[in-house]
Amino acid sequence: GAVVSQHPSRVICKSGTSVKIECRSLDFQATTMFWYRQFPKKSLMLMATSNEGSKATYEQGVEKDKFLINHASLTLSTLTVTSAHPEDSSFYICSALGESSYNEQFFGPGTRLTVL
Amino acid sequence: GQNIDQPTEMTATEGAIVQINCTYQTSGFNGLFWYQQHAGEAPTFLSYNVLDGLEEKGRFSSFLSRSKGYSYLLLKELQMKDSASYLCAVLDSNYQLIWGAGTKLIIKP
Repeated sequence: GAVVSQHPSRVICKSGTSVKIECRSLDFQATTMFWYRQFPKKSLMLMATSNEGSKATYEQGVEKDKFLINHASLTLSTLTVTSAHPEDSSFYICSALGESSYNEQFFGPGTRLTVL
Repeated sequence: GQNIDQPTEMTATEGAIVQINCTYQTSGFNGLFWYQQHAGEAPTFLSYNVLDGLEEKGRFSSFLSRSKGYSYLLLKELQMKDSASYLCAVLDSNYQLIWGAGTKLIIKP
């Protein structure tokens, strides 16, 4: 149980285009999902916390107009990178808060974004 | 500020034992996680400690001392597939995960 999927796994796009990444909890309901970004050989950097039915909470320094997050249902959150630029190239990982009592996060497999 | 420290890289031999340390300074504490991350993949859960002491799970064990702000992950009978980064993360008073930079573990035959 507690499987999180992420789509696409890999995307290459041209500068100026927008890219949507989907994160789904497959066998449980996730009221809270998290979006992370990870640079090579660095740890995860939390971008935002996504709560179903409400606006996402963005971390300091993350542009909410550039990284649009929508958590429309208990099993789906989406991250849209708008007007992507080469510096947005990164590994984006989502996680969903599990239903256990100790707040375990279950991670999706990640999306490798390359902006040309 | 909040801080998680762990060694950048460690090397060990197949079949041996390795201990990866993690020290933390956070605003509040609601538990400490260890995750394994292979290159190019997302992290996978290894362990969770919220009380002092040792939690054993097969070849992996995790220890916590809240008074010292210290944890370690112990890996026994190392296998080549254990080569990965090991991330220490603390759940702070706001139930937000604070991540360490990860320890890259290299296993040699």
